[in-house]
Amino acid sequence: GQQVMQIPQYQHVQEGEDFTTYCNSSTTLSNIQWYKQRPGGHPVFLIQLVKSGEVKKQKRLTFQFGEAKKNSSLHITATQTTDVGTYFCAAYSGGGADGLTFGKGTHLIIQP
Amino acid sequence: DGGITQSPKYLFRKEGQNVTLSCEQNLNHDAMYWYRQDPGQGLRLIYYSQIVNDFQKGDIAEGYSVSREKKESFPLTVTSAQKNPTAFYLCASSTSYNSPLHFGNGTRLTVT
Repeated sequence: GQQVMQIPQYQHVQEGEDFTTYCNSSTTLSNIQWYKQRPGGHPVFLIQLVKSGEVKKQKRLTFQFGEAKKNSSLHITATQTTDVGTYFCAAYSGGGADGLTFGKGTHLIIQP
Repeated sequence: DGGITQSPKYLFRKEGQNVTLSCEQNLNHDAMYWYRQDPGQGLRLIYYSQIVNDFQKGDIAEGYSVSREKKESFPLTVTSAQKNPTAFYLCASSTSYNSPLHFGNGTRLTVT
């Protein structure tokens, strides 16, 4: 299936600092989705990006889709303790029917 | 309220036994998915179904089986052939292929 690489695996920040996670693919993606999983919980859908170069914002969260549709990023401004969790990107391949493939996720740990 | 129900939340089995995990949705979604999550890891696709009476293998289908006899239900059987069955199993659904996923709360399976 589609391979998506996500970095970093872990990120420790002080509360109030910014956070960014990156997702990369060797092939063109039809779209990319972002999910958040709180400790002990299940993934929850955040957003879907479809267009080349697309940028979407949700309060302190900014999502970007690369011009070549091979990479994406999630940036959180001024992190809060409620942002703790694992952030996953996920993608379908361009023309196949392989199901949604998830990156390994970035674990965000916030120190107060 | 509509949603996805997975049962049970915790499941314990002896090695060599088959076990079936339940997944029911009342969202009227066409597509359903099973993922496996190991500690600190991302989600790996086991099986998915885009429509009733049809399903496809994901990246790690060996040792698992599914059925999709009804739109609402997508049970997963973990067979004795699965070498490392202990994991967190997540069921999800989406309106159609390529759409965002809605996840159930998951089932934690422990095999000893």
